[in-house]
Amino acid sequence: SQQGEEDPQALSIQEGENATMNCSYKTSINNLQWYRQNSGRGLVHLILIRSNEREKHSGRLRVTLDTSKKSSSLLITASRAADTASYFCASPLSGNTPLVFGKGTRLSVIA
Amino acid sequence: SQTIHQWPATLVQPVGSPLSLECTVEGTSNPNLYWYRQAAGRGLQLLFYSVGIGQISSEVPQNLSASRPQDRQFILSSKKLLLSDSGFYLCAWSPGTQNQPQHFGDGTRLSIL
Repeated sequence: SQQGEEDPQALSIQEGENATMNCSYKTSINNLQWYRQNSGRGLVHLILIRSNEREKHSGRLRVTLDTSKKSSSLLITASRAADTASYFCASPLSGNTPLVFGKGTRLSVIA
Repeated sequence: SQTIHQWPATLVQPVGSPLSLECTVEGTSNPNLYWYRQAAGRGLQLLFYSVGIGQISSEVPQNLSASRPQDRQFILSSKKLLLSDSGFYLCAWSPGTQNQPQHFGDGTRLSIL
């Protein structure tokens, strides 16, 4: 079963621009997580936002969570070519169950 | 600090051959362990997870199996590989409490010929 679904599927921007990726999910969550995957590599955890949080920052990353709309967004500011990767949202279906991942957004940052 | 090792990085196997992929975690005790498969350009499909030695939960019925012979060792196996088993296999671990991130290995690219 799929919990999160990212939008858009692919995004291409110029270096220096901001990139926004969205995630919608189906069931109530206690946390939502964002991951990054470079081509042919494993996933790297970026940010975990809990259900009682609305916004969280880490460097150039900003994540928002709207539990009423069952949606989250990941903003990367002042993008760099090195930000080129796939980005996934994930959340547990309930409690301490394993994460369920969306299909990801492929971000291309053009220098 | 904790590290996760997954090997081999790439593997080419004929149809019908057996499979054994190994994953080990260092620097933590009693982790939750996971095996995922990722088809090209797709999301992650959870195959198996384990919350303790000998405890395996299977998410997708198929010809793959998993075992956890030691606390920090997770093995993915098959007796006879199918063409459809091709893909990118990822091992991950997380602490055994809620609201924790998962940490991934570098993956194994499996090609079945």
